[in-house]
Amino acid sequence: AQSVAQPEDQVNVAEGNPLTVKCTYSVSGNPYLFWYVQYPNRGLQFLLKYITGDNLVKGSYGFEAEFNKSQTSFHLKKPSALVSDSALYFCAVRDWRGSGAGSYQLTFGKGTKLSVIP
Amino acid sequence: DAGVIQSPRHEVTEMGQEVTLRCKPISGHDYLFWYRQTMMRGLELLIYFNNNVPIDDSGMPEDRFSAKMPNASFSTLKIQPSEPRDSAVYFCASSSQGWGDTEAFFGQGTRLTVV
Repeated sequence: AQSVAQPEDQVNVAEGNPLTVKCTYSVSGNPYLFWYVQYPNRGLQFLLKYITGDNLVKGSYGFEAEFNKSQTSFHLKKPSALVSDSALYFCAVRDWRGSGAGSYQLTFGKGTKLSVIP
Repeated sequence: DAGVIQSPRHEVTEMGQEVTLRCKPISGHDYLFWYRQTMMRGLELLIYFNNNVPIDDSGMPEDRFSAKMPNASFSTLKIQPSEPRDSAVYFCASSSQGWGDTEAFFGQGTRLTVV
């Protein structure tokens, strides 16, 4: 099965500083990778995805992620953090459980809590 | 589209009672997923459907849990009987058919408390 790991339970960053939330993956074949954000008492919201193509993927709210095949990483980044970015961030990978288009699911990492300090 | 709609938002029930959680996916989406989120275990996939057919229910913790999708616009997750350890936030998500390259859209979740 495919998997992702988020090595940090929590990341603290000062407002205005760049932020990075780390994710590494383990897959067989080509990875399909996703980032989601969860604000308090809300469902998960899609931020961005890597399927193929350019290694730097741009997403919502000024976030971007860099796919690095040699390091099997897909770190989420933002040049300048906002207090409103404080939330729980999940990395996810497409996981096949059989054959055909009906056999995929998303497997999520444990999440990283991002706190942006004013 | 109003997005994925879950009901109720909050449910408090006594141990041993039956609990039914409901989900309306986004119209036109062929996949529907049920997840459970707890502090201890994070986000766990319980079961998912493709074109109303259950594809993988290996994440369903026990026989007390069951899920149905009678049509493309409605799914239920039932726990009978409920236990305190079932307390969690349950999310429903849907996505359009594809080879796993489309993102899933999540509902607001149902916070279940079993006392």
